[in-house]
Formats: sequence, structure tokens, C-alpha cells
Amino acid sequence: DAGVTQSPTHLIKTRGQQVTLRCSPKSGHDTVSWYQQALGQGPQFIFQYYEEEERQRGNFPDRFSGHQFPNYSSELNVNALLLGDSALYLCASSLRLGQYGYTFGSGTRLTVV
Amino acid sequence: AQTVTQSQPEMSVQEAETVTLSCTYDTSENNYYLFWYKQPPSRQMILVIRQEAYKQQNATENRFSVNFQKAAKSFSLKISDSQLGDTAMYFCAFMRVHAGNNRKLIWGLGTSLAVNP
Repeated sequence: DAGVTQSPTHLIKTRGQQVTLRCSPKSGHDTVSWYQQALGQGPQFIFQYYEEEERQRGNFPDRFSGHQFPNYSSELNVNALLLGDSALYLCASSLRLGQYGYTFGSGTRLTVV
Repeated sequence: AQTVTQSQPEMSVQEAETVTLSCTYDTSENNYYLFWYKQPPSRQMILVIRQEAYKQQNATENRFSVNFQKAAKSFSLKISDSQLGDTAMYFCAFMRVHAGNNRKLIWGLGTSLAVNP
């Protein structure tokens, strides 16, 4: 039973560019959440998708957008990259309520130069 | 707003000994979930243990157990018989229950645990 799969594992982009990160949830899960984890910090919630809609959003600018597909997989897009966007981006999947906890992928390490 | 505080940035323990990691939180909610996650150098966040606030009994998973003190808003993690593979960052996280669409995890800053041979 596959867990959460994220791609790519590492990425280097230049300031001002755009990036797309991908996530496939654990089999049987229908909800995908994205988190940003800066070095030495706890994760910060970006947004959550369920039934192909953004259900809640953290304190991130509109440069951060996402999408969920009918097969529950998800993408995170970041436009106009800033140096401060350099971080580990974690995808977490769950059943709708999330009360049993979230299953996380290994993340995408994004470096903006 | 809910907050989670982990007051121990770093801890170390000798192999086979017991260590306790602290976590406190602030909420006005009565029902919620609390979690401990482990993040080894591989970066993957792994669920260690979860606690439902309405349950009095402390959760236990093999060598991992919690001391949940609801009135004190404290949720500490005890690791018994520490193993080298327990070396990781440990995060405490909070999630509301009756929150409509608001089911995000709120995280502490983490505790870096080193298990020494």
C-alpha cells in the first residue's frame, strides 16, 4: 500500500520563476494538505483540498495556489518565487476529518537562488 | 487562536534509557486531538502517537506513551528503552474536532532528540 508520494524530491529555481510541486495521496485518502517547513521550524499550513476544492487556507499570499484532481492527487503552484520561499514543502493526506492523523510524504526541498 | 509550545529545543538520552519531551498548548476548545510526530533526517513526518482529548486514558504505542493533562493543557511524550533510530526531530501538533472545514494541524517548533550509544 503506497504512502504519500511527492515529486520532485529536490528543486532549484531562480527568483521570479514559477514552480509546480506534485503529490499523490495514500491509497484510500481523499484529502490533501500542503505545509511549508522552513529550516529549523515547524510546518506552516498552506491550504487543504477536498472534493477538488480548496477548503481552508493558511496565511500565505495568492502566489501560492493549488489544485486537486479527480483521483485525489494534488499540485502546489508558486508564482513569482522569492528567496524566502526556499523551504521543505510537505504534502499530507487523510480521510475527510483527519482525526486519525495525517500521512506525510518525504517532501520537496525547494531552493530559490 | 490555538498555540503549541515545545520548550526544549534539544535533548539527548543514552541508549536504553527513558526520556520525556514536553508540550503545552493553549485552546478554549473542549474537544480536540493531539499528536506527536517524528521527523528523522529522511524528512518524512511520521505519526508516533495520537490522543483524543475526551479520552481520559493516556495513549500508548509500544515504547511511546503520553502523559495527557487536560486541565494543565500539557501533552508530554515518554520514550522508553530509547534506540538509536529514535534520533529525530519531534513535533507536537494540535487539531480541532468540531471545526467545520478548519482541520489544519497547528505545530510546535519541535525538539531535536539525540540518542547516544
